Amino acid sequence: DQQVKQNSPSLSVQEGRISILNCDYTNSMFDYFLWYKKYPAEGPTFLISISSIKDKNEDGRFTVFLNKSAKHLSLHIVPSQPGDSAVYFCAATTNDYKLSFGAGTTVTVRA
Amino acid sequence: NAGVTQTPKFRVLKTGQSMTLLCAQDMNHEYMYWYRQDPGMGLRLIHYSVGEGTTAKGEVPDGYNVSRLKKQNFLLGLESAAPSQTSVYFCASSTGRNEQFFGPGTRLTVL
Repeated sequence: DQQVKQNSPSLSVQEGRISILNCDYTNSMFDYFLWYKKYPAEGPTFLISISSIKDKNEDGRFTVFLNKSAKHLSLHIVPSQPGDSAVYFCAATTNDYKLSFGAGTTVTVRA
Repeated sequence: NAGVTQTPKFRVLKTGQSMTLLCAQDMNHEYMYWYRQDPGMGLRLIHYSVGEGTTAKGEVPDGYNVSRLKKQNFLLGLESAAPSQTSVYFCASSTGRNEQFFGPGTRLTVL
């Protein structure tokens, strides 16, 4: 049973607008969350993370929001650029170093 | 630094054949991981290692074995390949409970 779920398989957004990717989790023991970006034929690369003691973390155009009570996190990309077209994976972990991944959301940024 | 490298990049096996996938990292990371990625499933952890000489089972370990004889290398073995093991395999490494660095992947097809 998947403990991390990304219910939107795909997202299409116009260049310059905001992309919002959502992720839900079921394991209340998760206390560290990460987003990875993946281009075709490459390995995932780390994008941004957030600890459960925070509700927001920002890095340039990328912001991750965490709502612990709802077991929900989201990634905002503002403004979206063509190079942001990729698959985005949400991941979560407890204190055992193992990551649980969502199924991914494919983002397409339209010119 | 090469980061995380994987050998081979592609492989086609017949059912029942065996093979070993090699992962190497030059970042002196203690932790190493093997994942498989299947459509609609995200990345699932096969086996992992928290240090030289140690290995542990992940979420989907059946049909695979691993060894970590040297800190920089993590080997994934398939003793008797099955079509269900057709997948893209990713190796990753980390210093602990933070971001994992991924290799470029190995695309394996079992006929």
